Amino acid sequence: EAQVTQNPRYLITVTGKKLTVTCSQNMNHEYMSWYRQDPGLGLRQIYYSMNVEVTDKGDVPEGYKVSRKEKRNFPLILESPSPNQTSLYFCASSLSSVPLEQYFGPGTRLTVT
Amino acid sequence: AQSVTQPDIHITVSEGASLELRCNYSYGATPYLFWYVQSPGQGLQLLLKYFSGDTLVQGIKGFEAEFKRSQSSFNLRKPSVHWSDAAEYFCAVGGKDYNTDKLIFGTGTRLQVFP
Repeated sequence: EAQVTQNPRYLITVTGKKLTVTCSQNMNHEYMSWYRQDPGLGLRQIYYSMNVEVTDKGDVPEGYKVSRKEKRNFPLILESPSPNQTSLYFCASSLSSVPLEQYFGPGTRLTVT
Repeated sequence: AQSVTQPDIHITVSEGASLELRCNYSYGATPYLFWYVQSPGQGLQLLLKYFSGDTLVQGIKGFEAEFKRSQSSFNLRKPSVHWSDAAEYFCAVGGKDYNTDKLIFGTGTRLQVFP
């Protein structure tokens, strides 16, 4: 089944404790992206990747890192999480960047205390 | 810069009634337009898309949307709503923004369906 998977689905952590949210797609998509969803703000892009070893900042990249060592994986890293990073995170992938028809993972709900 | 406006934060309809969710966008050229649905606790699922051609597009679950260039709108419609349609709906526009390909989302419309 073609899908985007994320792990973990739920995570509660403390301020400053490094964490990684994994994202994997099995559709051989070139483009991958991370979003955060906050009430009243919709989805905002954190980082995206056009292909392996190519990543770039989205609209809200501060406090996050990403890597794209393999085509299928695009982990999101929070080196020192803070409470304002409490949010619902989505990974998405697309066959290409134009048009950007994205398929979304199920989401990871992160709480930072 | 691109932007998407969904003017209705929350809409309530009775089951069986018709539905129209509004979406207005700001973009210089012809955009790629999408509607996504997010059921409670779920990710986003693509309902339909417009890239070019016929301005009335059909999607899954009986939804359709019409692209109106003159009004910069891409409203989502369904003739008869089912209780299972209760969800949050997001309009998105894609294309070049400062020479970067990206997808810009509206803030969403939450649909509540009464029996």
